Amino acid sequence: QVQLQESGPGLVKPSETLSLTCTVSGGSISSYYWSWIRQPAGKGLEWIGRIYTSGSTNYNPSLKSRVTMSVDTSKNQFSLKLSSVTAADTAVYYCARDRKGSWYYWGQGTLVTVSS
Amino acid sequence: DIQMTQSPSSLSASVGDRVTITCQASQDISNYLNWYQQKPGKAPKLLIYDASNLETGVPSRFSGSGSGTDFTFTISSLQPEDIATYYCQQYDNLPSFGPGTKVDIK
Repeated sequence: QVQLQESGPGLVKPSETLSLTCTVSGGSISSYYWSWIRQPAGKGLEWIGRIYTSGSTNYNPSLKSRVTMSVDTSKNQFSLKLSSVTAADTAVYYCARDRKGSWYYWGQGTLVTVSS
Repeated sequence: DIQMTQSPSSLSASVGDRVTITCQASQDISNYLNWYQQKPGKAPKLLIYDASNLETGVPSRFSGSGSGTDFTFTISSLQPEDIATYYCQQYDNLPSFGPGTKVDIK
C-alpha cells in the first residue's frame, strides 16, 4: 500500500521560504506525477503544482513565480519550496500521487503557519 | 485558467434523502472531472473519477454524471457517515477545484 508522509517546519517567518518534503513508501516514486495541494483553515483546496520523476514540472499560475519542486528518486522523495511567504500561505499542505488527473493516494497533511 | 463553481455551498438533508450537488466549469472539460469527499481533519478521498466512474471500494449510493461544462454528483440515500464537504475537480488542463459543498444531517 502506497503511503505518503509530509515533513518540514511547521512555522515559517514572513518573507522566508517554506520547504516541505514528501516521502513515499510502499511503492516506487518512479513513473508517476506527484502533486502538492494546500488548504487554508476553513477554506477550499488549491493545487500548487506537480512534478514528474523526470523532473518535469507544472505549477499553478497564481503561485508559479514563487514555487520550485524537485524530486529525489534515490530517496523516494519529492519536495516543495515556496518563497517569499506571507500569512496567506498559512495552510495544511498535502502531497499526493497523480493518477491521470486525479489523486487517490494522499499524505495526512502538515500544517504550516507563517508568522514572526 | 478553468474556473469551477459548485452549488449549493451547503445543504442539510435527512438520513435517506437523495442529495444532489452540481458543478459547472467555465469551459468545456469533456469528462475530465473528479469528485472528492473530505471529512474534518482528513485528506480528501477520491469518490468519482472521469465524471461518472465510481472509485473502487466506494459505496454505490454515490454517483456522478455530466460532460462538457455541467456535472452532477448524487448521494442516493444520505447516511450519517456522509457528513463531509464535497469538492469537484477538473483536470482538462492544469487542475483546479470547485469551492466545495458542505453536507450536514438535518
